[in-house]
Amino acid sequence: EVQLVESGGGLVQPGRSLKLSCAASGFTFSNYYMAWVRQAPKKGLEWVATISTSGSRTYYPDSVKGRFTISRDNAKSSLYLQMNSLKSEDTATYYCARHASGVVTRYVMDAWGQGASVTVSS
Amino acid sequence: DIQMTQSPASLSASLGETVSIECLASEGISNDLAWYQQKSGKSPQLLIYAASRLQDGVPSRFSGSGSGTRYSLKISGMQPEDEADYFCQQSYKYPLTFGSGTKLEIK
Repeated sequence: EVQLVESGGGLVQPGRSLKLSCAASGFTFSNYYMAWVRQAPKKGLEWVATISTSGSRTYYPDSVKGRFTISRDNAKSSLYLQMNSLKSEDTATYYCARHASGVVTRYVMDAWGQGASVTVSS
Repeated sequence: DIQMTQSPASLSASLGETVSIECLASEGISNDLAWYQQKSGKSPQLLIYAASRLQDGVPSRFSGSGSGTRYSLKISGMQPEDEADYFCQQSYKYPLTFGSGTKLEIK
């Protein structure tokens, strides 16, 4: 069974940093692109970052580019999101998600964690 | 960036009723469109990809269609367990973008 378990969420002051982790199991982690997707309270979904299988390529929307860094450790089947210079608008539940394999589905997320809550407030 | 306009924002349906949710992309996305279901307090689940292909394990009452910039999700025969939020997502190019969501409730 595919499992993605996020950790590291919490309350943080504006301008500070926080690092999220995601432990993956039930599949060969190193074979899949991985992503972070967030959801502000009572709002929709926003893609935050994607990383290639080896970690050599990363992708971000403008809203977090330069502040957030996605990384992975294939030996530990773990995904990370380093969030710096946090703003109140970064308050959200952050989901770890697996990109589906295959040409048709490479930008689709077919497995999601339960989410980690991040609150940015003074 | 590709903007995804989803409608309606909310919808109520009776059990057994057929419902449709629409998604309009700001440019052509060549059927690279996915639909997700998110039940209350849960994480999203993939329902449909490539506009019309059903993810494994998804009931056949769900179907997707469309082309170019216009896509739709249809539920043929609303069931109690279908009460949820639904989101479309363009899987055409980065940055990946989602629709604003449709809240589907039982009437």
